[in-house]
Amino acid sequence: EAQVTQNPRYLITVTGKKLTVTCSQNMNHEYMSWYRQDPGLGLRQIYYSMNVEVTDKGDVPEGYKVSRKEKRNFPLILESPSPNQTSLYFCASSNTGPQSNEQFFGPGTRLTVL
Amino acid sequence: QKEVEQNSGPLSVPEGAIASLNCTYSDRGSQSFFWYRQYSGKSPELIMFIYSNGDKEDGRFTAQLNKASQYVSLLIRDSQPSDSATYLCAVYTGGFKTIFGAGTRLFVKA
Repeated sequence: EAQVTQNPRYLITVTGKKLTVTCSQNMNHEYMSWYRQDPGLGLRQIYYSMNVEVTDKGDVPEGYKVSRKEKRNFPLILESPSPNQTSLYFCASSNTGPQSNEQFFGPGTRLTVL
Repeated sequence: QKEVEQNSGPLSVPEGAIASLNCTYSDRGSQSFFWYRQYSGKSPELIMFIYSNGDKEDGRFTAQLNKASQYVSLLIRDSQPSDSATYLCAVYTGGFKTIFGAGTRLFVKA
């Protein structure tokens, strides 16, 4: 089954404790992206990757890091989480980039930073 | 700051009626326009995309684009209770970036 998976699905952590949210897709997509969704603000892009070893900042990259060492994986790293990073996070992938193809979203990761 | 605006709703329509969802965007250079549906607690899924001015129909759904007015809409005909969800308008503005609106909540009353 073609899908985007994320782990963990739910995470409660404390301020300053480094964490990684994994994202993996099995569709051989070149483009992957991370979004956060907050009430009233919609989906905001954090980082995106056009291919292996090629990443760039989205609209809200502060406090986040990413890497793309393999085509299928695009982990999101929070080096020192803070309460304002409490949010619902979605990973997405598409075949040729967001301009012409639909983005397939993972199930989401609900993160709470205390 | 490039923006995509949607009425947050909720928009309530009776079963069988036409639901009309609207979206405006600020960047005149925007190239592609998408409508995603998101059920509560779930991830967004694509319903429609449109690139050219005019209407595009797919089953009960019609997307309408007017680039001169910077306006895109989604019509849902014969609305069903299962259409109750949040509808996200998304705009590809170039540079591998997509901007999403905050979404409109739709309730279809049986």
